[in-house]
Parts: sequence; C-alpha cells; structure tokens
Amino acid sequence: GQNIDQPTEMTATEGAIVQINCTYQTSGFNGLFWYQQHAGEAPTFLSYNVLDGLEEKGRFSSFLSRSKGYSYLLLKELQMKDSASYLCAVKGGDYKLSFGAGTTVTVRA
Amino acid sequence: IAGITQAPTSQILAAGRRMTLRCTQDMRHNAMYWYRQDLGLGLRLIHYSNTAGTTGKGEVPDGYSVSRANTDDFPLTLASAVPSQTSVYFCASSESSGEANEQFFGPGTRLTVL
Repeated sequence: GQNIDQPTEMTATEGAIVQINCTYQTSGFNGLFWYQQHAGEAPTFLSYNVLDGLEEKGRFSSFLSRSKGYSYLLLKELQMKDSASYLCAVKGGDYKLSFGAGTTVTVRA
Repeated sequence: IAGITQAPTSQILAAGRRMTLRCTQDMRHNAMYWYRQDLGLGLRLIHYSNTAGTTGKGEVPDGYSVSRANTDDFPLTLASAVPSQTSVYFCASSESSGEANEQFFGPGTRLTVL
C-alpha cells in the first residue's frame, strides 16, 4: 500500500513563511500533487512535481526529492485567506492518487 | 456551467436504505473518481472510471457500486447504507488518468447514516 505522512497542524503569523513537509512510500511514482482545501469546500489543485527540484508559482512553491521520498510546500507572505488544509497526494505506479491526511494551517493576525 | 456538480448537497439516511449520489461533469474528461473524506484519514478512493464504459475498484470499494454509461455522469450507489458510511463524498474528474493530469473536485455530498 501507500504511506503518506504530513504534520496534522501548523500555525503561523500573517506575512510569515510556512513549510509543510510530506514524506511518502509508494509502489511506483508518477508525480506528487498538492491541494488546498478550505473548511467545508472541495480540494483545489495547487502544484504538481514529477522531477526533482523546486516549482514556483507566485507565493507558493513545491519541492520534490524522489530519492528521499520527500516533498514540501512553501507558502510565503502568508495571508489570512491561506488558512486551510493542505493535502499531499502521490500518484503511484497504478496511476491512482493516494492522499495524506492533510495539514491544517492557521494564520494568525 | 463549467465543472463538476454533485447532488444532493447533504442527506440523512436510515441504515439499510439504498442511496445514489449523483455526479456530473461538463469538461468532457475521460477519467472520474469517487472519494470519501473522514476526519484524520484524508481522502480515500472508492471507485474510479478511466473512460466511459469501464470502472475499477479503489482502496475502499466494499458497500459501494458505480456505473459509467456516458462521459458526463458517474453515480455512486450505496445498496444498503450502514453508519460507517457516514462521510463526506467527493466526486472528481481529470482529462485522463495519466501522470500530470490534475483532478478537479466537485463540491461534495455530506451523508449521515443513522
């Protein structure tokens, strides 16, 4: 089976930077996705990594190391609207997405 | 409208009753999925369909069935609901099941089985 671990909760101050780590052990690898989910809403796509390295998209960046089974999502210049759950998901060898339990980020004023 | 719709938004159901959750997408995506989301467990795949006319089992398929008669619709049926099926159900779709294809999620159905 798949095993995807990420911290349960993180708290940060408005304007700060937060890094959400994700480690995974999967049968095969066809990419890693990050999704954002506000309370009571559907997950929405943030980023995709399939090669090692950093992908930057505005205030959000995502990093992948396939050899370490490790990724992180970096949120810069935090805003109150960034308070949400962030889901790490890995597409395994069977092309199915397996999700971590999610990290709830709370941004304080 | 563009995207994925789900119905109903929420439902309270007596144990033993049959229930069908509806999902429709208008993006002409080939692949569709059903997930359940439970506190502390994250999203778990119930069933999927890579293309119209085909379906497959995900991680937690027991007690659920699906059909994919056409590209747009992917209903999920609970033949005889049990309290452990209380959850939030999300339908999703993607252009295909390939590597880089992100999944788009519907708004979810909150189901309570008593």
